[in-house]
Amino acid sequence: AQSVTQLGSHVSVSEGALVLLRCNYSSSVPPYLFWYVQYPNQGLQLLLKYTTGATLVKGINGFEAEFKKSETSFHLTKPSAHMSDAAEYFCAVSDGYSTLTFGKGTMLLVSP
Amino acid sequence: SAVISQKPSRDICQRGTSLTIQCQVDSQVTMMFWYRQQPGQSLTLIATANQGSEATYESGFVIDKFPISRPNLTFSTLTVSNMSPEDSSIYLCSVEGGPTDTQYFGPGTRLTVL
Repeated sequence: AQSVTQLGSHVSVSEGALVLLRCNYSSSVPPYLFWYVQYPNQGLQLLLKYTTGATLVKGINGFEAEFKKSETSFHLTKPSAHMSDAAEYFCAVSDGYSTLTFGKGTMLLVSP
Repeated sequence: SAVISQKPSRDICQRGTSLTIQCQVDSQVTMMFWYRQQPGQSLTLIATANQGSEATYESGFVIDKFPISRPNLTFSTLTVSNMSPEDSSIYLCSVEGGPTDTQYFGPGTRLTVL
């Protein structure tokens, strides 16, 4: 069975500060890992994904994430937060059988 | 990535009635998925719908409550039957985009049951 843990239901940062959203997973097989973003009153948008190859993955809007197998982590970062980054972020894992398991989500709050 | 639309975008319904949600994709896809997102919660998979076969339901979801149709490779419907206030949620459809389990989501249907 696979699972995802997102540490912190809410993360607050100031505009221009580093964004770090944490995600740890468990999977019995090499996982596929995803970050999605959900803006208010919208569906989910794929930010980035790790499947194979390079462990540092770059996504849209300046976000990136690093797959660390030894730590079973896939944390999402952005060097400088922007007000438009305020949204809910979901980490998800798949074991290759088409079923995604989502974390509980982290709400990112950005203050001016 | 696929472009996915859902209808209706939101609805307010009375207890005991049913609502059918439509999901349309701009390209042919094999697998479509239906999720529920309860207020303040994460996404829970309801069922997987493959064209030409019965939908596969996750534990806790049954066909009588959430019948699904998948008449072709670009369209699916989810019906929420005999609704109660506990069914108030966002319902999202998604499609699989390629061999790495990447899923692309529609904008969601916001359902409120009174």
